[in-house]
Amino acid sequence: AQTVTQSQPEMSVQEAETVTLSCTYDTSENNYYLFWYKQPPSRQMILVIRQEAYKQQNATENRFSVNFQKAAKSFSLKISDSQLGDTAMYFCAFMDTGRRALTFGSGTRLQVQP
Amino acid sequence: EAGVTQSPTHLIKTRGQQATLRCSPISGHTSVYWYQQALGLGLQFLLWYDEGEERNRGNFPPRFSGRQFPNYSSELNVNALELEDSALYLCASSWDRTGYTFGSGTRLTVV
Repeated sequence: AQTVTQSQPEMSVQEAETVTLSCTYDTSENNYYLFWYKQPPSRQMILVIRQEAYKQQNATENRFSVNFQKAAKSFSLKISDSQLGDTAMYFCAFMDTGRRALTFGSGTRLQVQP
Repeated sequence: EAGVTQSPTHLIKTRGQQATLRCSPISGHTSVYWYQQALGLGLQFLLWYDEGEERNRGNFPPRFSGRQFPNYSSELNVNALELEDSALYLCASSWDRTGYTFGSGTRLTVV
């Protein structure tokens, strides 16, 4: 079974600064996807970024980028130029491509301070 | 393009009753997924439906069941409700394995 660990329950960052959220996972699978989702108070889970395990290049989406270390099973999220709208719960998730089930970490609550 | 829609937004039921939650996927998405987000337990995978068939099931008792209709919408049924079933139930849809789009959820409260 896969496990996903987010070791930072809460983080705070000043507006316009950079913050990195940590995530580690454990799996015996070779083909999988990794995701970061954001859940603001509105409750809807919003996809922030995805990474395919077979791709060595780290994924980027505007201000969001990941540091994917496959051998270390680490998948951290970097948010640059933090904005107030980035305040949310962030979940790291693993997907086994065969079972299509997402395994989520426990989440990191990010507060962006003005 | 309309997103994933879930109804109702809130639902209050008495212990022992049945609850029915509904989900309409994004147009063109054939797969629907259900997740439970309970306080202290995080997000847990419940069910995956694709093309009308149940494809995968999480570690939940049989009183959690559902179905997918020919138009790809889906229902989640929870029978013999227990207090610990109180949670946010999230539905998601996709057309492939590269990621889901989630709805805003149904908040189920069992009293």
